[in-house]
Amino acid sequence: GAVVSQHPSRVICKSGTSVKIECRSLDFQATTMFWYRQFPKQSLMLMATSNEGSKATYEQGVEKDKFLINHASLTLSTLTVTSAHPEDSSFYICSARDVGLVLPEQYFGPGTRLTVT
Amino acid sequence: AQRVTQPEKLLSVFKGAPVELKCNYSYSGSPELFWYVQYSRQRLQLLLRHISRESIKGFTADLNKGETSFHLKKPFAQEEDSAMYYCALSGSGGSYIPTFGRGTSLIVHP
Repeated sequence: GAVVSQHPSRVICKSGTSVKIECRSLDFQATTMFWYRQFPKQSLMLMATSNEGSKATYEQGVEKDKFLINHASLTLSTLTVTSAHPEDSSFYICSARDVGLVLPEQYFGPGTRLTVT
Repeated sequence: AQRVTQPEKLLSVFKGAPVELKCNYSYSGSPELFWYVQYSRQRLQLLLRHISRESIKGFTADLNKGETSFHLKKPFAQEEDSAMYYCALSGSGGSYIPTFGRGTSLIVHP
């Protein structure tokens, strides 16, 4: 099946710095990618929908100036956590939807563990 | 607003026992329902979707619009079924904004 990769898999940064997470669709083009945040033992919380060539659509309560999303190509979306704080520590998961299939399917990346010290 | 409810955080059964993971949803239109599975240390992957009406790894799920449910069932659980299961919903048609339930951890004991 199709694969979505994320980089890095794990990152530790100091409070106040910015961190960029990359999400790539490896063998299909994705006009739409999704960014989720997952808290321990909780569900995935959709943060934003990333649209290639246009602005991301953020869910209510998600600060767009803090979580910058760029979807510059059909295979790459990036999430930048700006001025990170300890409360931003979490597991971030991206996914991409392959609409080229008869039944479009959403594929997930392996996630990125962000720890802000 | 669309909402997915998985009432059980944990479901523990013995090998060979039947399994039913509950999922209820709230959506004003015609939804698409999915079950995703996450095995230990692996990424989420699609298990099945209601429009396919398939049986995957022995699991089935029937959409009951009257009860707004999409329960996942398997008649005989296997140890390798131990995983986290997420029910998800999206609107049909052009709008695809998936909403996930909180997940149910299934543990199958030998």
